[in-house]
Amino acid sequence: EVQLVESGGGLVQPGGSLRLSCAASGFSFSSYWMSWVRRAPGKGLEWVANIKQDGSEKYYVDSVKGRFTISRDNAKNSLYLQMNSLRAEDTAVYYCATGGNPGYWGQGTLVTVSS
Amino acid sequence: DIVMTQTPLSLSVTPGQPASISCKSSQSLLHSDGKTYLFWYLQKPGQSPQLLIYEVSSRFSGVPDRFSGSGSGTDFTLKISRVEAEDVGVYYCMQGVYLPRTFGQGTKVEIK
Repeated sequence: EVQLVESGGGLVQPGGSLRLSCAASGFSFSSYWMSWVRRAPGKGLEWVANIKQDGSEKYYVDSVKGRFTISRDNAKNSLYLQMNSLRAEDTAVYYCATGGNPGYWGQGTLVTVSS
Repeated sequence: DIVMTQTPLSLSVTPGQPASISCKSSQSLLHSDGKTYLFWYLQKPGQSPQLLIYEVSSRFSGVPDRFSGSGSGTDFTLKISRVEAEDVGVYYCMQGVYLPRTFGQGTKVEIK
């Protein structure tokens, strides 16, 4: 059974940083692109970033370019999202998902950016 | 960015009746590999999103056959043949051809 468990969310002040993690199990992690998607309160889904199997290709939505970095550790079956220079508009539930186009999704982790 | 436009934005359906959601993209979603990368997701209340349909019309693992997808190019439709109470939530279409990936605004389905 595919399992994706996100962690690392929390309350952070504007301008601060957080690192989200996603622990994957139940599938061959190193064989799949992986994605991050978010849902802000009262808003719809927004794709954030994805990463190729070996980490050689990474793509981001414009609003996070230069501030967020997606990465992975295939030896640890883990996906990461380093978020710097956080803004109020980054407040959202962040989901990791299998595939360059999301297939299986985790339960999400809440990031709140507020002073 | 590719704009995905869903209609209607909300839908109230009697159990056992059909429902249909339209999704239009601002550019063709036909990829050079011959596939059309249009996806449908459902986010039930209090849950994470789940994939229902991939590549326009293929049902994802475990998705009931009352869900079906159709369309081509820029016009797509998700149909529920007989709505059940467990189908409530927000439905999203998403294009998987261009970067950044973009979702429709979402269609909220409720039961009458």
